[in-house]
Amino acid sequence: GESVGLHLPTLSVQEGDNSIINCAYSNSASDYFIWYKQESGKGPQFIIDIRSNMDKRQGQRVTVLLNKTVKHLSLQIAATQPGDSAVYFCAESSTNFGNEKLTFGTGTRLTIIP
Amino acid sequence: EAGVVQSPRYKIIEKKQPVAFWCNPISGHNTLYWYLQNLGQGPELLIRYENEEAVDDSQLPKDRFSAERLKGVDSTLKIQPAELGDSAVYLCASSPDRGADTQYFGPGTRLTVL
Repeated sequence: GESVGLHLPTLSVQEGDNSIINCAYSNSASDYFIWYKQESGKGPQFIIDIRSNMDKRQGQRVTVLLNKTVKHLSLQIAATQPGDSAVYFCAESSTNFGNEKLTFGTGTRLTIIP
Repeated sequence: EAGVVQSPRYKIIEKKQPVAFWCNPISGHNTLYWYLQNLGQGPELLIRYENEEAVDDSQLPKDRFSAERLKGVDSTLKIQPAELGDSAVYLCASSPDRGADTQYFGPGTRLTVL
């Protein structure tokens, strides 16, 4: 969903359950995508990335899915823990312009309920 | 390995005053970025350096913002004079080389302009 200013999309998940955070991107030329986690008072922290020649990539407890047809990205977090509570941002870039320029999407605030 | 270091962490000033932020990137990282992050939104790129050269400053409001990275290591971002709308978090990030995909962020400087 969209958010303006303080109205971040929010997701509350029971500890131990799985969570899915979604992101829509608009630039069909984007070929590299990253998920960042940002805790309160800290800078964004790299979680996982994926290139457009893949549709799925797994890390430790995290999986990123890419659907280029509908320009949609998702982050799945398995067996959520209290430390997963944060704001999650997706970011995209295009090789045409070099991978240096990241465009960040609207964040989603994930709250893990103990 | 030490991460990206930023100072100060917090700064409160009155409008029309000058302010400066300092960033020391991860050792060996040639590319340095300054981002602005408004509350509830994703970071937005202000300027990117490759060593000491500013290679993308298209989003930097040059009437009041300036930046430098004289020796290709640490960097300073300045605002003069500050306006109320400049209140935000200013993030610095670095990556090993041009085309490097992963950017590592510092904790940011939270600026409040009164």
